[in-house]
Amino acid sequence: GAGVSQTPSNKVTEKGKYVELRCDPISGHTALYWYRQSLGQGPEFLIYFQGTGAADDSGLPNDRFFAVRPEGSVSTLKIQRTERGDSAMYLCASSPGLADTQYFGPGTRLTVL
Amino acid sequence: GEDVEQSLFLSVREGDSSVINCTYTDSSSTYLYWYKQEPGAGLQLLTYIFSNMDMKQDQRLTVLLNKKDKHLSLRIADTQTGDSAIYFCAEANQAGTALIFGKGTTLSVSS
Repeated sequence: GAGVSQTPSNKVTEKGKYVELRCDPISGHTALYWYRQSLGQGPEFLIYFQGTGAADDSGLPNDRFFAVRPEGSVSTLKIQRTERGDSAMYLCASSPGLADTQYFGPGTRLTVL
Repeated sequence: GEDVEQSLFLSVREGDSSVINCTYTDSSSTYLYWYKQEPGAGLQLLTYIFSNMDMKQDQRLTVLLNKKDKHLSLRIADTQTGDSAIYFCAEANQAGTALIFGKGTTLSVSS
């Protein structure tokens, strides 16, 4: 079956702009996760959704970052007033439920000029 | 808090075995994971081990878990050039809401 998909695969923006990154999880997976991976580092947790609600957003670095999952399927990660330090690979994962094995998408490479 | 440590580089010759090591801090982790990442790509789940197991074998992959020392290893038998990638060890946080990753081990396989 189809895996996790993410769009766009690459996004280049200018400092101060707003960006949206989309994640389409595996069908039927109720849990969805966002991670950020900087160059040379492992992925770092941002936020976890169970259904439509953000059950754990402790990894969001500041209030410029926000994520939604209005119908419990597709999720959008939104970054306001982007900064050069936001440049990274943004990875989405889904799992059947909480604490189940997570399956990752191909990621969105964000570059802030 | 939880922390995962890995050695950063490993270089082997094609046909040799590779052993990638990892240490973790949270003894309550139920599962421990190995993911593979090729350049510019997302993470591919390789294998995982339940915390009450000592060993798990899956074709060319063998995972060993030493709970006392909080040490996890991944052995790849008959390493191929296609195995060249970054390998990440991960444990779940206490709430089970997130994975905590190491910095990754870059495996380089020469022919």
